[in-house]
Amino acid sequence: AQRVTQPEKLLSVFKGAPVELKCNYSYSGSPELFWYVQYSRQRLQLLLRHISRESIKGFTADLNKGETSFHLKKPFAQEEDSAMYYCALIGTSGSRLTFGEGTQLTVNP
Amino acid sequence: GAGVSQSPSNKVTEKGKDVELRCDPISGHTALYWYRQRLGQGLEFLIYFQGNSAPDKSGLPSDRFSAERTGESVSTLTIQRTQQEDSAVYLCASSPGGSQREQYFGPGTRLTVT
Repeated sequence: AQRVTQPEKLLSVFKGAPVELKCNYSYSGSPELFWYVQYSRQRLQLLLRHISRESIKGFTADLNKGETSFHLKKPFAQEEDSAMYYCALIGTSGSRLTFGEGTQLTVNP
Repeated sequence: GAGVSQSPSNKVTEKGKDVELRCDPISGHTALYWYRQRLGQGLEFLIYFQGNSAPDKSGLPSDRFSAERTGESVSTLTIQRTQQEDSAVYLCASSPGGSQREQYFGPGTRLTVT
């Protein structure tokens, strides 16, 4: 069975501080990993996918197959980064997204 | 371009009534998904369409739930004899299909069963 774990339901940092949102997964294969973000009163939107290895809004995430992790990082958090963040995976043979329970990030001024 | 749209945005219904939720995917997206999010919980997969067929219905919680998709476009999720535990936000997503697996979400329908 595939599973995504986000150990922190709530994370609070100050503006300008580094932030790391943790994501661990279990899957017996090579999944595709994603980070989705939901800002207040907006729809869920794709932030990053691991295969594109890009940086969006200053966020990066590296897939660590040894540790089965896909942590999301940003060196200098901004107030506009405050949102709910979901880590999700798709298995090699499937199409459904399996989501973690989300981390609510608050960036304080 | 236009994103995924869903209607209604909010639905309040009495226990035991049937409801229909609609999803309009992004034009040209062959894959369509339904998820739900109950209060305080994560998103759960319900059903996946590739074109008009549904190769994965394994997430539908009971036979009161059904969905169809016509013309490789609009999808309708129907819940019969609604129960209070059906109260949730129902999300629809679409993706281009093939190797492009990223999913684009609609705004959701908030269903409240009283």
